[in-house]
Amino acid sequence: DAMVIQNPRYQVTQFGKPVTLSCSQTLNHNVMYWYQQKSSQAPKLLFHYYDKDFNNEADTPDNFQSRRPNTSFCFLDIRSPGLGDAAMYLCATSRGGDWYNEQFFGPGTRLTVL
Amino acid sequence: AQKITQTQPGMFVQEKEAVTLDCTYDTSDQSYGLFWYKQPSSGEMIFLIYQGSYDEQNATEGRYSLNFQKARKSANLVISASQLGDSAMYFCAMREGSSSTSGTYKYIFGTGTRLKVLA
Repeated sequence: DAMVIQNPRYQVTQFGKPVTLSCSQTLNHNVMYWYQQKSSQAPKLLFHYYDKDFNNEADTPDNFQSRRPNTSFCFLDIRSPGLGDAAMYLCATSRGGDWYNEQFFGPGTRLTVL
Repeated sequence: AQKITQTQPGMFVQEKEAVTLDCTYDTSDQSYGLFWYKQPSSGEMIFLIYQGSYDEQNATEGRYSLNFQKARKSANLVISASQLGDSAMYFCAMREGSSSTSGTYKYIFGTGTRLKVLA
């Protein structure tokens, strides 16, 4: 089945130690998204790509970076994780185009910062 | 500015009964899509149902239906015959317009409603 895959599902890192989360998709969708979601809150968009075009949200901290080396893969790098970065990180895709295309989400990576 | 409002932080429903989760939205665009997602405790966001701004019929998908009232800018989710497995967080989301004009592919989410189905 076509899907969005995130690895790892659980990630533990130390305060200040860089960490990379990965996302891959078999849907061949143009758009990939990274969201941060804290407990019982709405997902917060960090950035998204349309193909290789990168779109950063104005309030995304510089500590968060992203790479999309090809259509299938997208990475989230947290350069110096703080305790406040502990959250669920969701990757999603969509076909792009117009308003009638839904997003497809991966299972998420739950990040713990010690 | 586009906005999604879910005013019910938490809801309870008895098993086998129907429940309505409220969603209102604000947009100045004529073309938009409204989406409902379910998020169980495992964390994955599961797409449930979609309603387009030009759709004249209310969307239905199995036990899920969308009560779309365009003039009131509301898109309430109705779950019929609730099951214990329906216990989850439910998010309403919106995507505006044509990307060729807006240049964006962003979806706006509401704050969610936590539904608990009681046995």
